[in-house]
Amino acid sequence: DGGITQSPKYLFRKEGQNVTLSCEQNLNHDAMYWYRQDPGQGLRLIYYSQIVNDFQKGDIAEGYSVSREKKESFPLTVTSAQKNPTAFYLCASSTHTGGSASPLHFGNGTRLTVT
Amino acid sequence: GNSVTQMEGPVTLSEEAFLTINCTYTATGYPSLFWYVQYPGEGLQLLLKATKADDKGSNKGFEATYRKETTSFHLEKGSVQVSDSAVYFCALPLYNQGGKLIFGQGTELSVKP
Repeated sequence: DGGITQSPKYLFRKEGQNVTLSCEQNLNHDAMYWYRQDPGQGLRLIYYSQIVNDFQKGDIAEGYSVSREKKESFPLTVTSAQKNPTAFYLCASSTHTGGSASPLHFGNGTRLTVT
Repeated sequence: GNSVTQMEGPVTLSEEAFLTINCTYTATGYPSLFWYVQYPGEGLQLLLKATKADDKGSNKGFEATYRKETTSFHLEKGSVQVSDSAVYFCALPLYNQGGKLIFGQGTELSVKP
């Protein structure tokens, strides 16, 4: 079955450490996205990528970095510069081609706790 | 700018009760509209969608009609079950920004037996 795999499901880190969250998809989708979810704040876009080797900042990119070296993979690094990194992180993909109404397919998320 | 506003939760209902979760939007043009559902500890799943005015999306007993005149896309279900307990998100795509979705705040639904 095709889908999006995020790993690990739970991640614990000490303050000051960088951490990388994995996201892999086998849906052959061109576009991939990272969202952050906090209680009472809905989902906010961190970064997105429409094509390999290209990505754009979302609404809350500060303290995060991404890469898109392969179509299937879009890892997110939470750096020590991110002031409030503890959150639930969701990766998504779509067949977005600019004008179509393509829904996003989501992974099951990674819950990051930084202490 | 573009935005989505949902009714605040949590919403608590008894099994077999009627459900309405309000969603209104502000957007340029007439975008598609989506409802997503998130079960505890999981990611979001597409529940239903509508691509143009007066379209009705439906799935698993849930329905939502795209109302251009009231810029609304309210989610309804005639008889909820305990298994419908989840968080529901209304969403709006931005085609000129990589197809990203703008989400409402989410409405938590709890159904009691």
